[in-house]
Amino acid sequence: AQSVTQLGSHVSVSEGALVLLRCNYSSSVPPYLFWYVQYPNQGLQLLLKYTSAATLVKGINGFEAEFKKSETSFHLTKPSAHMSDAAEYFCAVSGDSGGYNKLIFGAGTRLAVHP
Amino acid sequence: NAGVTQTPKFRILKIGQSMTLQCTQDMNHNYMYWYRQDPGMGLKLIYYSVGAGITDKGEVPNGYNVSRSTTEDFPLRLELAAPSQTSVYFCASSYSPESPLHFGNGTRLTVT
Repeated sequence: AQSVTQLGSHVSVSEGALVLLRCNYSSSVPPYLFWYVQYPNQGLQLLLKYTSAATLVKGINGFEAEFKKSETSFHLTKPSAHMSDAAEYFCAVSGDSGGYNKLIFGAGTRLAVHP
Repeated sequence: NAGVTQTPKFRILKIGQSMTLQCTQDMNHNYMYWYRQDPGMGLKLIYYSVGAGITDKGEVPNGYNVSRSTTEDFPLRLELAAPSQTSVYFCASSYSPESPLHFGNGTRLTVT
């Protein structure tokens, strides 16, 4: 069965510093991978998705993620953090059916950005 | 364009009470989903629907029921509320299995 592990439930960075949020997955079939962001009191919004095309995926707000099959990882990065990036971030993998409609979510990483 | 709308935003229930969480979308999406979000646990799929009249169980369906009489609406029913159902509930929709999910802003439910 597919699963997702997000390393670090809380990450704190300074404004302007590199953001690195880690995600490892397990999957018996080629996965589809996603990063979603959740701002306080809101639903989740799609940041980016990997669907077996380019291994480096660019998303909104300057975020990007790299699919590394050998490491079963899909880490999310941003070169320079902004105060508005403070939110909770979720990594997700498509379910056993291989369809997008049964996403398995990680537990989430809360990103804090301080001046 | 309102997207996915959930009501109510907050609700407190007593053990054994019942209620319906409402979800409606105006994007003409066929696929709709209900998730619950518990602290430190991520999101778990409760039920999903691939079109009007068709529903199926997700990962954690026990204690819940759904219906899909129209494309727009996908209500979630709790018949006998239990403290374990205290959670934040999110409804989502997508145009197809390949499309991103659009989420509502959630319903925070407390059962005491």
